[in-house]
Amino acid sequence: SQTIHQWPATLVQPVGSPLSLECTVEGTSNPNLYWYRQAAGRGLQLLFYSVGIGQISSEVPQNLSASRPQDRQFILSSKKLLLSDSGFYLCAWSVKGRINTIYFGEGSWLTVV
Amino acid sequence: AQSVSQHNHHVILSEAASLELGCNYSYGGTVNLFWYVQYPGQHLQLLLKYFSGDPLVKGIKGFEAEFIKSKFSFNLRKPSVQWSDTAEYFCAVKDSNYQLIWGAGTKLIIKP
Repeated sequence: SQTIHQWPATLVQPVGSPLSLECTVEGTSNPNLYWYRQAAGRGLQLLFYSVGIGQISSEVPQNLSASRPQDRQFILSSKKLLLSDSGFYLCAWSVKGRINTIYFGEGSWLTVV
Repeated sequence: AQSVSQHNHHVILSEAASLELGCNYSYGGTVNLFWYVQYPGQHLQLLLKYFSGDPLVKGIKGFEAEFIKSKFSFNLRKPSVQWSDTAEYFCAVKDSNYQLIWGAGTKLIIKP
């Protein structure tokens, strides 16, 4: 069966520090991968999606970047965090080529102080 | 661009009350519709989904939703809520570009 893992689960980082959130998917190959953010009091916002290794599309301009070094690995990064980067980040995957359900990881709580 | 609206940000009900959470989307083409739930301290879970066929969709835990194409709506219902239904509920729409667009969520609190 397929599983998705992301870590760390919680993170408290000072303003200006770097960020790396990692996500891996198991039990499937060539998935679409996504990073979402849920800011306090707001709904989910799509940040990045990837259809393959090295292929990243950004949905909103921001202080964050994403990379996909391997087929089932998706990394969310920042060189210098801002206070506004605080939120709940969710990695997700879906089967390529089909209109299908999107599966979410457990999420990572990021607090920038 | 496609957008999804959830009418209520907060809903407070007593146990055994009936529930209806509204969801409207803007895209007029072929869509797939979803309701997700996030219980306190847990990650998102799929409640139900609509792809085609019978517009009345039954999901887990006694939830159902009705797709009304003419109204661009996909409202979530449950005849009798329980305390354990306290959670945040998200409506989402996947359009022909395969992107999932989310509503802002509705926080449901059930009073015991």
